[in-house]
Amino acid sequence: DTEVTQTPKHLVMGMTNKKSLKCEQHMGHRAMYWYKQKAKKPPELMFVYSYEKLSINESVPSRFSPECPNSSLLNLHLHALQPEDSALYLCASSSSGQGAHQPQHFGDGTRLSIL
Amino acid sequence: ILNVEQSPQSLHVQEGDSTNFTCSFPSSNFYALHWYRWETAKSPEALFVMTLNGDEKKKGRISATLNTKEGYSYLYIKGSQPEDSATYLCAFINAGNNRKLIWGLGTSLAVNP
Repeated sequence: DTEVTQTPKHLVMGMTNKKSLKCEQHMGHRAMYWYKQKAKKPPELMFVYSYEKLSINESVPSRFSPECPNSSLLNLHLHALQPEDSALYLCASSSSGQGAHQPQHFGDGTRLSIL
Repeated sequence: ILNVEQSPQSLHVQEGDSTNFTCSFPSSNFYALHWYRWETAKSPEALFVMTLNGDEKKKGRISATLNTKEGYSYLYIKGSQPEDSATYLCAFINAGNNRKLIWGLGTSLAVNP
């Protein structure tokens, strides 16, 4: 069982819908990440939060909007997505900031399908 | 452009075989190298974080070595078991202000019983 919990596990939405992905960890980690993963490719970094502040945005389209309400929670708000946004969205956390010597702990992901 | 390459892309071995694969990364500006195992329908699992040239780390039957001067890391699996079947990903972290994981494409390992 992973220590990073993501909900929902699966999500199907239309291009005009608004939905949110949620991620939670209770390991006291201060860095949290959103990745997008397409089949047979490695995870593609989207956002990094460090100490609840957005530290990296990898030029992600504004239809993806991250939010970090507190140190344990990370949300990804979705609006007006495109079919090419269909992918596995992974959340991860680590004990300190991105690019440190600590490993990242991943959730099981949300499988997102855009109709 | 920082490039991380893994070889082979895929590997099929018999149960009990020992195997190894390679991660190549830029030898300049090294900060750390991560290894992850990703089984189908599960989340990626961290195996090792390697930081010093000459590092050797071991976790059960899996071990890894690091050569930062020539820019490669080897992952070894001794006596492969079917449950070792997974994709093994390495990720390089560059030194500097904007450090981030730069992922290889992975080596897909299938262990036949």
